[in-house]
Amino acid sequence: NAGVMQNPRHLVRRRGQEARLRCSPMKGHSHVYWYRQLPEEGLKFMVYLQKENIIDESGMPKERFSAEFPKEGPSILRIQQVVRGDSAAYFCASSAIENTEAFFGQGTRLTVV
Amino acid sequence: GQQLNQSPQSMFIQEGEDVSMNCTSSSIFNTWLWYKQDPGEGPVLLIALYKAGELTSNGRLTAQFGITRKDSFLNISASIPSDVGIYFCAGLGVRPVENSGYALNFGKGTSLLVTP
Repeated sequence: NAGVMQNPRHLVRRRGQEARLRCSPMKGHSHVYWYRQLPEEGLKFMVYLQKENIIDESGMPKERFSAEFPKEGPSILRIQQVVRGDSAAYFCASSAIENTEAFFGQGTRLTVV
Repeated sequence: GQQLNQSPQSMFIQEGEDVSMNCTSSSIFNTWLWYKQDPGEGPVLLIALYKAGELTSNGRLTAQFGITRKDSFLNISASIPSDVGIYFCAGLGVRPVENSGYALNFGKGTSLLVTP
């Protein structure tokens, strides 16, 4: 049973470009969570999705950031017109049932140059 | 999200020593989880706690869900060099609570260094 898969592991973008981060949850998991981690900081919640629905996006910046979890395929975190401050590690986690233990992927490290 | 206060911020110990770290919140939680993160990797779940007062072990690790439901601690016995990493507590709040969200709230982590 494969764990949570995130790709790419590393992503470099120039300012103003778009970044697309992908997350495939563990098999049988329909709940996906995205977190952002800055160097030497904890994980900050961004968004919680269940298949085709955004359940809680209270941690998402109001502009440039969006997330989806389509019926088929991985969850996507999309950052438009990236700025240097978007540089961070972005982690995805999944769970089988709402509000239970979540398992994390290895993260995508985004660097904006 | 709800604020979790994790302490200590960092620990520097010798191999073989026992370690204790804790996490507190101003709000009550239904679930406490403890994760370990190695450099460049994602957090790995160590222990999950679901009941107030619950004491759970996983090898040399022991964690407890505080009676008040506002705190939890993690103990590591007889530390070894591979215990090095950052340990995060995470909690799930009780709904409905304003701004509690639906997902895990994390502490800022305890960085553990173990010398041989």
